[in-house]
Amino acid sequence: DTGVSQNPRHKITKRGQNVTFRCDPISEHNRLYWYRQTLGQGPEFLTYFQNEAQLEKSRLLSDRFSAERPKGSFSTLEIQRTEQGDSAMYLCASSLRTTGSSYEQYFGPGTRLTVT
Amino acid sequence: GDSVTQMEGPVTLSEEAFLTINCTYTATGYPSLFWYVQYPGEGLQLLLKATKADDKGSNKGFEATYRKETTSFHLEKGSVQVSDSAVYFCALSEGNSGGYQKVTFGTGTKLQVIP
Repeated sequence: DTGVSQNPRHKITKRGQNVTFRCDPISEHNRLYWYRQTLGQGPEFLTYFQNEAQLEKSRLLSDRFSAERPKGSFSTLEIQRTEQGDSAMYLCASSLRTTGSSYEQYFGPGTRLTVT
Repeated sequence: GDSVTQMEGPVTLSEEAFLTINCTYTATGYPSLFWYVQYPGEGLQLLLKATKADDKGSNKGFEATYRKETTSFHLEKGSVQVSDSAVYFCALSEGNSGGYQKVTFGTGTKLQVIP
């Protein structure tokens, strides 16, 4: 297994356009997370999936954002009507829930979004 | 809510110097603590972890001890190399009502090691 992968790695879009990112977690991992990282800051939690169920969304996730994980494997994050403030690195992470695990999360390389 | 505070960078050191990056945390329960590293152009990688008080996490010559009494998890390395140049994030993970572990990160400390 090569780890968590994300596509595309870079996306430049014009304000008002819609964008979609994809995350492929480590194959046996049942938990998947999305984070956003702006320049000079640490990642901030956006949302979390246990298998195909989206169990929590941060207040950072406005109604222009939607995430799905239809078959409990890969996930997509869509941003509608992008704004310049959406420019950031979007990180995906996955983990495996097991008894006694410290639930450490494994991160993908991220998708850098630039809204012009 | 949970929070992590780490020393601001950038930190510039000469090769073979001793490294300390300070990290303190605020949490309501008993979190697990982590250091993640982000090399230029790469994703976050877990460097080390500690899951309970007095545990010492170590990896690649780095180490950090979970100090509950001072709510700290300082990162140390005895002799840094140029290849250690990266951004280091202190983080904590605590269970919540949703039954999962949300990770809260500090703002990161950039380390630059010069030959």
